[in-house]
Amino acid sequence: DSGVTQTPKHLITATGQRVTLRCSPRSGDLSVYWYQQSLDQGLQFLIQYYNGEERAKGNILERFSAQQFPDLHSELNLSSLELGDSALYFCASSTMTDTQYFGPGTRLTVL
Amino acid sequence: GQQVMQIPQYQHVQEGEDFTTYCNSSTTLSNIQWYKQRPGGHPVFLIQLVKSGEVKKQKRLTFQFGEAKKNSSLHITATQTTDVGTYFCAGASGGSYIPTFGRGTSLIVHP
Repeated sequence: DSGVTQTPKHLITATGQRVTLRCSPRSGDLSVYWYQQSLDQGLQFLIQYYNGEERAKGNILERFSAQQFPDLHSELNLSSLELGDSALYFCASSTMTDTQYFGPGTRLTVL
Repeated sequence: GQQVMQIPQYQHVQEGEDFTTYCNSSTTLSNIQWYKQRPGGHPVFLIQLVKSGEVKKQKRLTFQFGEAKKNSSLHITATQTTDVGTYFCAGASGGSYIPTFGRGTSLIVHP
């Protein structure tokens, strides 16, 4: 158990819909990262927040957004969902530059 | 942008055989991390290498960081069925601490 929690574990929705994925980092970690893992694209970095502020952006689509709240939990919002958005979404947390501890992931299926 | 290539993509071995996965970066890395993801699980941090030519061991696992800090390898001696999973390298460079993940090597161990 990494100490990072993610909800929900599974999510099934339809194209065009919007979903919110939630992540609580390890106690004491200020940094949260979001990744998308699909079979054909591997593990893709989406976005990083540090203590409530956006720190780095990766391959995140404009239809996706994220935020980190004062209690340090983070949410990833995915809108206008397409079939190709079906993937595992991982959240990871760390101190500023330390290694990342991954949560169990949310499996998103878009039908 | 930075690219991290990992080979092979898949490796089948008989239990007891050795296994090696290689990671190559298009740019000089400040550090490299290795993660293991069991089937159905999430990436779990194994180790971080920082120094040129560094070698670290964890029981049957040996990690190396190249002299030029552009390549790395993970070697497992006498594989066991518990070694099954996908091994990812992740390297950061250019002052960024956001690692770029390789596509991973999936290890399949046949009893």
